Amino acid sequence: AQSVTQLDSHVSVSEGTPVLLRCNYSSSYSPSLFWYVQHPNKGLQLLLKYTSAATLVKGINGFEAEFKKSETSFHLTKPSAHMSDAAEYFCVVSDRGTNAGKSTFGDGTTLTVKP
Amino acid sequence: NAGVTQTPKFQVLKTGQSMTLQCAQDMNHNSMYWYRQDPGMGLRLIYYSASEGTTDKGEVPNGYNVSRLNKREFSLRLESAAPSQTSVYFCASCVSSYNEQFFGPGTRLTVL
Repeated sequence: AQSVTQLDSHVSVSEGTPVLLRCNYSSSYSPSLFWYVQHPNKGLQLLLKYTSAATLVKGINGFEAEFKKSETSFHLTKPSAHMSDAAEYFCVVSDRGTNAGKSTFGDGTTLTVKP
Repeated sequence: NAGVTQTPKFQVLKTGQSMTLQCAQDMNHNSMYWYRQDPGMGLRLIYYSASEGTTDKGEVPNGYNVSRLNKREFSLRLESAAPSQTSVYFCASCVSSYNEQFFGPGTRLTVL
């Protein structure tokens, strides 16, 4: 079985300060992990993905995430928040086991960026 | 290259009415998905199609049916709409099941 938990439903930061959005996953097989961003009234856009290559993954707009198997985590970070980063962020897991073909989404983290 | 397109963008139905949501992709992807998004609940998988000619139930399939018409198109049908089906519906596609998904813009459905 696979599951994903986003540990914070809301995160608020000031512009120019670091961003940390936390995600823990559970998977019986080698997982693929993704972060997507959704701006208000828009579809979802891929930020970055981990598919068993390098454990530190760089994405678009300065975001990166580190796959830590021992901690079953895939936290999303950015050194300096920008106002345009305010959005909903989803962590997603997909594995090759009995859930093959399905992805499981976290409940989302709303990021607020204060001026 | 339009990516994933969905029609309609908005729809209001009365309880008991039926409708079909259309989805098409032009990226030659094998797998296609239908999700619903409700506040505070992320995206939940309704149905998916791993390849042309196959469909499988996801987490919340009750009240829905799907058709994988061909490799490009994957439609979602509500036979008898209920207020609990008020939601935003997203279609997605990907090359294969373990790669990133590409999402359509969504259909906002209200059932009165």
